[in-house]
Amino acid sequence: NAGVTQTPKFQVLKTGQSMTLQCAQDMNHNSMYWYRQDPGMGLRLIYYSASEGTTDKGEVPNGYNVSRLNKREFSLRLESAAPSQTSVYFCASSEQLGSYNEQFFGPGTRLTVL
Amino acid sequence: AQSVSQHNHHVILSEAASLELGCNYSYGGTVNLFWYVQYPGQHLQLLLKYFSGDPLVKGIKGFEAEFIKSKFSFNLRKPSVQWSDTAEYFCAVNVNNQGGKLIFGQGTELSVKP
Repeated sequence: NAGVTQTPKFQVLKTGQSMTLQCAQDMNHNSMYWYRQDPGMGLRLIYYSASEGTTDKGEVPNGYNVSRLNKREFSLRLESAAPSQTSVYFCASSEQLGSYNEQFFGPGTRLTVL
Repeated sequence: AQSVSQHNHHVILSEAASLELGCNYSYGGTVNLFWYVQYPGQHLQLLLKYFSGDPLVKGIKGFEAEFIKSKFSFNLRKPSVQWSDTAEYFCAVNVNNQGGKLIFGQGTELSVKP
């Protein structure tokens, strides 16, 4: 099992450009998450999907959109990138959306917006 | 709003020294508690978790944590660190009545000198 995979690993964008970060999991998990990690701020939840067909905002959703394409895949889209979106983005999944479910993380995408 | 505080931002230790990383949270209800570790260049991995029962929990690689409800704390400990423990450590809290969303602390970077 590959677990949670993310593409690309690195990306450099210019302000105003758009891009989609891809995430896939092969653990048959129902719930998936997108976080951003910034120095000194830990991980902050951007969006999550409790199950296929549903998405909800997290703590910092502005400037992002998501799509739960199917049970395996959960993508994050930046429509018009801004320097403030320079960060490391992590996708995660868990069996269910519930307090007792461990989240499994992908390797991350390091995004720089110039 | 709920928050998680990790007071040590960067800890430097020599090999064989003892480690204690602090974690405090602000929510007064029932919580589930986690410690994740991120080794250089790798994704987050679960070290240990507390849901209920014995407040002293043991995790992988010789780590343990103690839940002290009266102090709203979940400190991570290891009696003798190794160079390979160099990593960033994140405390996270999951509030039972708010689904599976994790709230992360700011992270503590641990550097172990050989």
